[in-house]
Amino acid sequence: QKEVEQDPGPLSVPEGAIVSLNCTYSNSAFQYFMWYRQYSRKGPELLMYTYSSGNKEDGRFTAQVDKSSKYISLFIRDSQPSDSATYLCAMSVVTGANNLFFGTGTRLTVIP
Amino acid sequence: DSGVTQTPKHLITATGQRVTLRCSPRSGDLSVYWYQQSLDQGLQFLIHYYNGEERAKGNILERFSAQQFPDLHSELNLSSLELGDSALYFCASGGVNSPLHFGNGTRLTVT
Repeated sequence: QKEVEQDPGPLSVPEGAIVSLNCTYSNSAFQYFMWYRQYSRKGPELLMYTYSSGNKEDGRFTAQVDKSSKYISLFIRDSQPSDSATYLCAMSVVTGANNLFFGTGTRLTVIP
Repeated sequence: DSGVTQTPKHLITATGQRVTLRCSPRSGDLSVYWYQQSLDQGLQFLIHYYNGEERAKGNILERFSAQQFPDLHSELNLSSLELGDSALYFCASGGVNSPLHFGNGTRLTVT
């Protein structure tokens, strides 16, 4: 079993839709959770960084962590064509970048 | 812009050759991480350097090596290249209490 599981998609939605991206994990010791956005031929760009359970909102993006279910989500409201990218979840036990485990990424396309 | 600089952007070389990829971390970051990304494998951690010292190794082949210099830039050396080494190679930097920030990668094509 992989440490982090992520549905690879692809996922296509119409512009303006609410998008839900999800990851599950097996290691209950994970405490730090991240979402990265990766455009084609670019490096992953940090979108959200959260600690432990709960929600964090940044503009149209909301990250949600449910440690009891070992499940994290990224919601994108009012999706735009510019949101079309691959979204990677990542998580670690300790703060900082050590022992970071990545999902394989979900490819999202927002259709105008 | 993440502040992490990688050169070159593209490399095309033949099997059996050796190449060097270069990374400059964000200002103030002491850690440099190297990752390989291929279509079927996702992001694979290769190696981590902190302030010039190797800290952790991931799935790095013996044909690959890295180092971090006193000015904190890092180089990843890939030798005896095989077709299967064609991939995107990313460098990332981070602080003690901060997440990773990635460069835009070097796309390596081995022909």
